[in-house]
Amino acid sequence: NAGVMQNPRHLVRRRGQEARLRCSPMKGHSHVYWYRQLPEEGLKFMVYLQKENIIDESGMPKERFSAEFPKEGPSILRIQQVVRGDSAAYFCASSPSDRTKGYTFGSGTRLTVV
Amino acid sequence: GENVEQHPSTLSVQEGDSAVIKCTYSDSASNYFPWYKQELGKGPQLIIDIRSNVGEKKDQRIAVTLNKTAKHFSLHITETQPEDSAVYFCAALKTAGGTSYGKLTFGQGTILTVHP
Repeated sequence: NAGVMQNPRHLVRRRGQEARLRCSPMKGHSHVYWYRQLPEEGLKFMVYLQKENIIDESGMPKERFSAEFPKEGPSILRIQQVVRGDSAAYFCASSPSDRTKGYTFGSGTRLTVV
Repeated sequence: GENVEQHPSTLSVQEGDSAVIKCTYSDSASNYFPWYKQELGKGPQLIIDIRSNVGEKKDQRIAVTLNKTAKHFSLHITETQPEDSAVYFCAALKTAGGTSYGKLTFGQGTILTVHP
């Protein structure tokens, strides 16, 4: 049973480009969460999605950031017109409906903006 | 919203000693408290968790205690080994109710170093 799969593991973008981060949840998990970790800091919640629905986006910056979890395929975190401050590790997690039975993180995507 | 404070930020122990990390939370509605271990370049890995209806839980060398009244919970690692060296995060979660359920709020992390 594969865990939460994130790709790419590393992503380098120039300022102004777009970054697309992908996350495939664990089999049987219908809830996906995105977190951001700045260097030497804790993880900060960004957005919580279920299939085709955004449940909670209270942690998402209002501009340039968007997320989706389509009916088919992985969840996508999209960052438009990246800036140096977007450089961070982005982690995806997934869970079943009972979140106490397996809130599992992927290995993350490390975004570097040059 | 929920706020989780974690102490200490760094902890250095000798192999075989015990290590204790403490966290406090602010939202009395939080009812699930996982602990994660994060090694360099990897994602957080769940190592132990506790629900609000339980005061203590143990898994081999790792234990977690919860004091709901005081709103604090602690991670205890006994007989530490060099491979326990990592960053440890506590977190709090409301599993139901309102729009914030499902969102983990993390502490700031503790860098644990176990010296051989």
